[in-house]
Amino acid sequence: RKEVEQDPGPFNVPEGATVAFNCTYSNSASQSFFWYRQDCRKEPKLLMSVYSSGNEDGRFTAQLNRASQYISLLIRDSKLSDSATYLCVVNKSGKLIFGQGTTLQVKP
Amino acid sequence: DGGITQSPKYLFRKEGQNVTLSCEQNLNHDAMYWYRQDPGQGLRLIYYSQIVNDFQKGDIAEGYSVSREKKESFPLTVTSAQKNPTAFYLCATAPREYSYNEQFFGPGTRLTVL
Repeated sequence: RKEVEQDPGPFNVPEGATVAFNCTYSNSASQSFFWYRQDCRKEPKLLMSVYSSGNEDGRFTAQLNRASQYISLLIRDSKLSDSATYLCVVNKSGKLIFGQGTTLQVKP
Repeated sequence: DGGITQSPKYLFRKEGQNVTLSCEQNLNHDAMYWYRQDPGQGLRLIYYSQIVNDFQKGDIAEGYSVSREKKESFPLTVTSAQKNPTAFYLCATAPREYSYNEQFFGPGTRLTVL
């Protein structure tokens, strides 16, 4: 079983839709959590950190459930420019462990 | 202009040749990392370094070697012993090792072995 699991998608949604991605992790000792965005053939870039209380950054909302070892990312009012692969990332003792990513395609 | 540079962006080599990928940073970060990404897969850790002249193997170190002679530089050599070297190689940095913080990535080198 992979340490961080994501549904690879692709998720195809129309502009303006709300879309949610989920991620599960297997190691309860994981200490911090992130969502990274990766555009095609580019490096990953930090989208947002994920806090236990949940956090929001504009149209993006991240949630963490430590008991269920589950992380989510909600994107509201999708834009064409949101099309990318979203990587769920867990930090365990200073090492980042990456999910394989969920691909989002936003259509006009 | 602060950042992480990797060169070259694209690299082609013949099977059996060693090749060295460059990673330089001017962020004054202590920790540096090398990852490999294959199509449709997450990043996998090859080697990492917390301090000059010290480095540790990651999950897939076989067929690779590194050095950390300067804080700013962490080159990766892909040797002929690496069975499937064609991949996207990403260098990352963090302010310090064993940190809860995120890592910052360079633009990557796409290696193709013919």
